[in-house]
Amino acid sequence: DGGITQSPKYLFRKEGQNVTLSCEQNLNHDAMYWYRQDPGQGLRLIYYSQIVNDFQKGDIAEGYSVSREKKESFPLTVTSAQKNPTAFYLCASSAEALAGVYEQYFGPGTRLTVT
Amino acid sequence: AQSVAQPEDQVNVAEGNPLTVKCTYSVSGNPYLFWYVQYPNRGLQFLLKYITGDNLVKGSYGFEAEFNKSQTSFHLKKPSALVSDSALYFCAVRPYNFNKFYFGSGTKLNVKP
Repeated sequence: DGGITQSPKYLFRKEGQNVTLSCEQNLNHDAMYWYRQDPGQGLRLIYYSQIVNDFQKGDIAEGYSVSREKKESFPLTVTSAQKNPTAFYLCASSAEALAGVYEQYFGPGTRLTVT
Repeated sequence: AQSVAQPEDQVNVAEGNPLTVKCTYSVSGNPYLFWYVQYPNRGLQFLLKYITGDNLVKGSYGFEAEFNKSQTSFHLKKPSALVSDSALYFCAVRPYNFNKFYFGSGTKLNVKP
């Protein structure tokens, strides 16, 4: 988990509230990603960003929003429009693949529970 | 469409025995392939990757993986399993021309003493 921090580790919210999950990296990586993990479904990509001030929707972007104002930071907001927000959220980063093939580094995750 | 399949939800092996965790993929062009491990309530940790060259790739903690282009597979192996290897394992593929990763659904490895 070194190099990427996610906070908080556990988060509880009431239904109808927006909540923002923090992700910070000090690896000087250009690319950052948000995944959602549910039991038996592996990782599903929510949003990704290849460079500052630019991001693209992943496979399950509905009900989520992101920003990438700084290279180090890629916060994820879970809005009230997300139907089933309770899940384990993972942030990752990787070097931009111009001069090589780089693996992703993952944060420790945030477990969000919405009741 | 790009996809990764891990056909076994769970693999059970006895400590000291060899283990194999299977992965097959479908991706356009020559893929880059990865294996990650996840312990409970933690993020994923990188084990190894295949880019090009030798089909047998060696990684962390004694793990290795064999790339088979004709079978589009990238199976994870270890000659002698440890109880501490018990965890959730993910295979991932990245197309050669884009920095986006596709993950399998994961395989839970149980190593019994």
